[in-house]
Amino acid sequence: GESVGLHLPTLSVQEGDNSIINCAYSNSASDYFIWYKQESGKGPQFIIDIRSNMDKRQGQRVTVLLNKTVKHLSLQIAATQPGDSAVYFCAEIPYNTDKLIFGTGTRLQVFP
Amino acid sequence: DTGVSQDPRHKITKRGQNVTFRCDPISEHNRLYWYRQTLGQGPEFLTYFQNEAQLEKSRLLSDRFSAERPKGSFSTLEIQRTEQGDSAMYLCASSLGWGGQNENTGELFFGEGSRLTVL
Repeated sequence: GESVGLHLPTLSVQEGDNSIINCAYSNSASDYFIWYKQESGKGPQFIIDIRSNMDKRQGQRVTVLLNKTVKHLSLQIAATQPGDSAVYFCAEIPYNTDKLIFGTGTRLQVFP
Repeated sequence: DTGVSQDPRHKITKRGQNVTFRCDPISEHNRLYWYRQTLGQGPEFLTYFQNEAQLEKSRLLSDRFSAERPKGSFSTLEIQRTEQGDSAMYLCASSLGWGGQNENTGELFFGEGSRLTVL
């Protein structure tokens, strides 16, 4: 079935380093992708999105890259801070639906 | 606070009891979603509404689950005859919708969730 998955369940980085979180998706018809951040005990929080007609989008300290050829999505966080520690989910909206499908998540741990 | 609010935040119940969760979306959002999340997993889609119409239900939503959005504003999710496997976080989200000419991002705004524990 359709799925969105992640390569690494846990990523540990030192404060100030850059982080890269990867995601593989299986539905080549997906139109839209979003990265969410979820802190313990809270609901997911939007970070950045990208449409399928783009391959890169930048926000504040975050960049999302989309490679449709290999169905790969990544989130880059520059100068990672302790407040970035959370679980990160990639999610997709397949073409012609309004249903957001989440992957299983990567835990980012930032050490001082 | 003008975000998505959910009530109750925590619910502990005995197996076989009925529970109801309420979600109040962001007021101008016409779409409302329910998701279920278990520990270490991503949220799983359950159902969503466009205004008061329920447009899609996941096969995860057994006949013990029912969701309503009677006036196109708040929504309720009821679970009848709860089972231990129903223990999870139930997340509600709202959005302006997505697609086509629409400039909206399609971003779903999530509430803090209602955590259900079935003993």
